Amino acid sequence: AQSVTQLDSHVSVSEGTPVLLRCNYSSSYSPSLFWYVQHPNKGLQLLLKYTSAATLVKGINGFEAEFKKSETSFHLTKPSAHMSDAAEYFCVVTLSGGYQKVTFGTGTKLQVIP
Amino acid sequence: DAEITQSPRHKITETGRQVTLACHQTWNHNNMFWYRQDLGHGLRLIHYSYGVQDTNKGEVSDGYSVSRSNTEDLPLTLESAASSQTSVYFCASSETPWAETQYFGPGTRLLVL
Repeated sequence: AQSVTQLDSHVSVSEGTPVLLRCNYSSSYSPSLFWYVQHPNKGLQLLLKYTSAATLVKGINGFEAEFKKSETSFHLTKPSAHMSDAAEYFCVVTLSGGYQKVTFGTGTKLQVIP
Repeated sequence: DAEITQSPRHKITETGRQVTLACHQTWNHNNMFWYRQDLGHGLRLIHYSYGVQDTNKGEVSDGYSVSRSNTEDLPLTLESAASSQTSVYFCASSETPWAETQYFGPGTRLLVL
């Protein structure tokens, strides 16, 4: 079985300050982990993914995430928030060991205050 | 540019009616997926397909069906719409299953009255 927990349903930051969106997972097998972003009334867009290569993954728009197996975490960070980062973010875990299942987190809504 | 489209974007229907949501992709991906998005649940998998004539049930498949007659299309049918099926529906495709990036359509907002 696998699961993913996004620890905050809402995060509010000021423009220009760091962003931290937290994600913890559980998986019996080697997971693949993703962060997707959803802007209002849009589909989901991939930000970055981890598939057992480098543990620090860089994505689009200045986002990055670090896979920490000991902490079963895959937190998303960005050094300086921009107004255009306001959106909902989803952490996703899939199994790369041959068993087909994808699990989405419940999402974190990021608000950026000018 | 390759894309994935969904139609209609908005739909209002009545309880008991059959509804079909279209999904069309030009990525030439074998793998296609349908999800529903509800507050507090994230996205949940309804059905998926690994290729033509292949369909599989996901986590919340009751009351839904899909068919795959070609690579480009995976229509989702609600056999007899229920109010509990009011949701936003997303179609996605990927080059290889599961461990790869999925490309999402813009979504269909369905209201069942």
